[in-house]
Amino acid sequence: RKEVEQDPGPFNVPEGATVAFNCTYSNSASQSFFWYRQDCRKEPKLLMSVYSSGNEDGRFTAQLNRASQYISLLIRDSKLSDSATYLCVAWDAGTYKYIFGTGTRLKVLA
Amino acid sequence: EAGVAQSPRYKIIEKRQSVAFWCNPISGHATLYWYQQILGQGPKLLIQFQNNGVVDDSQLPKDRFSAERLKGVDSTLKIQPAKLEDSAVYLCASSLEGRGETQYFGPGTRLLVL
Repeated sequence: RKEVEQDPGPFNVPEGATVAFNCTYSNSASQSFFWYRQDCRKEPKLLMSVYSSGNEDGRFTAQLNRASQYISLLIRDSKLSDSATYLCVAWDAGTYKYIFGTGTRLKVLA
Repeated sequence: EAGVAQSPRYKIIEKRQSVAFWCNPISGHATLYWYQQILGQGPKLLIQFQNNGVVDDSQLPKDRFSAERLKGVDSTLKIQPAKLEDSAVYLCASSLEGRGETQYFGPGTRLLVL
């Protein structure tokens, strides 16, 4: 089983839709979590960090469920510019490692 | 604030040749990471430095890859000799202390081995 698992997608959604991605992690020692956005042929850029139960920034909401060991990302009112790959990252406090998922690809359609 | 700098941005070499990549992290960041990202996959950690010491190089193919961060600031990653399967994007990232805070990525070096 992978340490951080994501549905690779692609998720094809119309503009204005609400879309949610889930990310599961296997190591209960994971303490910090991040969602990065990666555009084609670009580097990952931080979208949101999650240190407690959740975080919200405009149209984006991340929620952490430690009991079930998953993090979700909700995007409301999707824009064409939201089309990208979303990487889930867990930081393992036992090994000091950042563990990356393979990413979920989102395509917002006009 | 300047971000993470990397060079070159692109490199094409033939197999068995050698290549070197350079990274300059954000000023004041103690922790520096080199990742390999193959198309369609998440970044895979090759090596992690804390100042000028190696914290983790368990996934670095040491028979062909080497990295150094001599003065605890910028770093170089070398491949010698390169194989076809080394074609990937090499991302450098830095963070303040390597204790679960945000990592910041450079633009990457896209390597093609022919």
